[in-house]
This record gives sequence, C-alpha cells and structure tokens, in this order.
Amino acid sequence: QKEVEQNSGPLSVPEGAIASLNCTYSDRGSQSFFWYRQYSGKSPELIMFIYSNGDKEDGRFTAQLNKASQYVSLLIRDSQPSDSATYLCAVLEYGNKLVFGAGTILRVKS
Amino acid sequence: NAGVTQTPKFRILKIGQSMTLQCAQDMNHNYMYWYRQDPGMGLKLIYYSVGAGITDKGEVPNGYNVSRSTTEDFPLRLELAAPSQTSVYFCASSHQKDTQYFGPGTRLTVL
Repeated sequence: QKEVEQNSGPLSVPEGAIASLNCTYSDRGSQSFFWYRQYSGKSPELIMFIYSNGDKEDGRFTAQLNKASQYVSLLIRDSQPSDSATYLCAVLEYGNKLVFGAGTILRVKS
Repeated sequence: NAGVTQTPKFRILKIGQSMTLQCAQDMNHNYMYWYRQDPGMGLKLIYYSVGAGITDKGEVPNGYNVSRSTTEDFPLRLELAAPSQTSVYFCASSHQKDTQYFGPGTRLTVL
C-alpha cells in the first residue's frame, strides 16, 4: 500500500498570511497529485491537481510538486477565515485509485 | 446535473443487521468508488468499479460487498454490521483518470 503523509496540525495562521501545507508520498512512480478541501461534516471538494514538477497557480492557491523529493505542497495566499478546513493530499495509484493522507487542519484567525 | 447522490444521510444499525448504502451519479462516469472516513483520518478505499459489471477491492473491503449493474448506480452492502463499521461513507465518481467528485456522505453508527 502506497503511503501519503501529512502533518495533522492544526496549522494556525493569521488572516492575510500565507498558509503552507505539505505532503510526502512513498511511491516514486506516482504521477498525479490532488489537493482536496473538506469542511467539517462535508464531503471533500477538489482545489487543485498537479502532474508536472514545479508550480501551478489558481487564484490564491499554488500547488508545488517536487518528484525527486517526493514532495507536494499547497500554498494559500491572503488566507481567509473561510479557508479554515481540513486539507487532504491525494496521490493517484494504478487503476485510477486515490490514496489519501490523513489531512491537515488549517485554522485562519481573524 | 445532481452530480453524486447518496442515501440515506444518517443511519443507526444494531450489531448483526444488514443494510445497503445507495449511490448514484448522473455524469456518465465510468469510475465509481466507495470510501470510509473515520474521525481524524483520511479516506480509505473500500471498493471501486471501472464500469458496469466490473468491481474490485480497495484497501479495506472486509465486511462489505458491491455490485455495478448500471453505469449510474453503485450500491454498497454491509452484511452483519459491526461497531468497527461505524464511520462516514463517501461515494465518488470520475471520468477516466480525472477528478473524483464526491457525494454528500452517509453517517453510519453501529450499536
């Protein structure tokens, strides 16, 4: 079973700051990586996916991938209280199966 | 489009009872999945399907069964419910190797 590791947090940041969420994975052959956001009591919703080394930006969100280090991160700029949630990192396995990390709790304080 | 729908939203079972969690999607996705999520944990894959008539086990299949007779529906059957199956169950679907879309979940308690 492939593993995906995340710091459980909580990660606390002040409103307007940059939140940095990190994830490492065990399978060097993994090609596709996803970040999901999950509000308490709700289902996961996709924020971003990334396939290539480097950065991918979408609004206030930037995903960073370093396959050599087996590391993927999510940066949230200008963090808002509404960003407070659990962020799940997921790696795509053979057969289109996602392996999820346990998630990092983010708290943005106003 | 309704997306992915799940019923029921909540259910309490007694030990040894059985039930079926329903999942349907109207996006014509080939791939469908069942996950469970325990408190403070990530999602664990129970079963998945790559198309009608084709299913396979995920990481935690024991105590569950699935069937996929149509593209739209992917029910999950719990036989002989146990307290260890208390969890939140999510169904998801995707088109090929694409984004997985999740249903709202079913919160199950086994007492």
